[in-house]
Amino acid sequence: AQSVAQPEDQVNVAEGNPLTVKCTYSVSGNPYLFWYVQYPNRGLQFLLKYITGDNLVKGSYGFEAEFNKSQTSFHLKKPSALVSDSALYFCAVRGVNAGGTSYGKLTFGQGTILTVHP
Amino acid sequence: GAVVSQHPSWVICKSGTSVKIECRSLDFQATTMFWYRQFPKQSLMLMATSNEGSKATYEQGVEKDKFLINHASLTLSTLTVTSAHPEDSSFYICSASKGSADHSYEQYFGPGTRLTVT
Repeated sequence: AQSVAQPEDQVNVAEGNPLTVKCTYSVSGNPYLFWYVQYPNRGLQFLLKYITGDNLVKGSYGFEAEFNKSQTSFHLKKPSALVSDSALYFCAVRGVNAGGTSYGKLTFGQGTILTVHP
Repeated sequence: GAVVSQHPSWVICKSGTSVKIECRSLDFQATTMFWYRQFPKQSLMLMATSNEGSKATYEQGVEKDKFLINHASLTLSTLTVTSAHPEDSSFYICSASKGSADHSYEQYFGPGTRLTVT
């Protein structure tokens, strides 16, 4: 069974400081990994994804994430946080076999509330 | 590209009435659409997966007679909450995929619909 863990319910960081939102996963096959952001009363906005290739993935709004296969992690990072980055962040994973067929549905973590203080 | 819309964005209805929520892929054909439910400050819970022209596949614990899903075309899926009760109040989010549910195609999320049942 697939699973995603976001160990921190909340992350607080000062504006201008680097931020990290943690995510670890468990899947069968190869992981397809995603980060989404959700603002209050809004749907999910796609930030970035890892499918294959470079372990460091760059996405929207200056965010990046590093795929670490040995640690089964896909932490979201940003070098300099903005107050406008304050939102709810979801990590999601889908296990895929070599032929591209999924082992299951897209599985979400429980979410991490990021608060950036001025 | 890959824009998904939902209508209405919010709705208030009386207990016992039915409510229909539309999900449309605006610039692509969606082979598969997904319906999620989200409670405050919680993750997304997959309710059902629908493929154009066929019956939806419901997740365990989701009442198919209460949450009617129709995927009549490649650009439109509807979720009807029948005989709504206050406990059905929630944020409903749809997503759409260009490929089948078994393949690792990306999902594009709608902005969500806030349902309040009084």
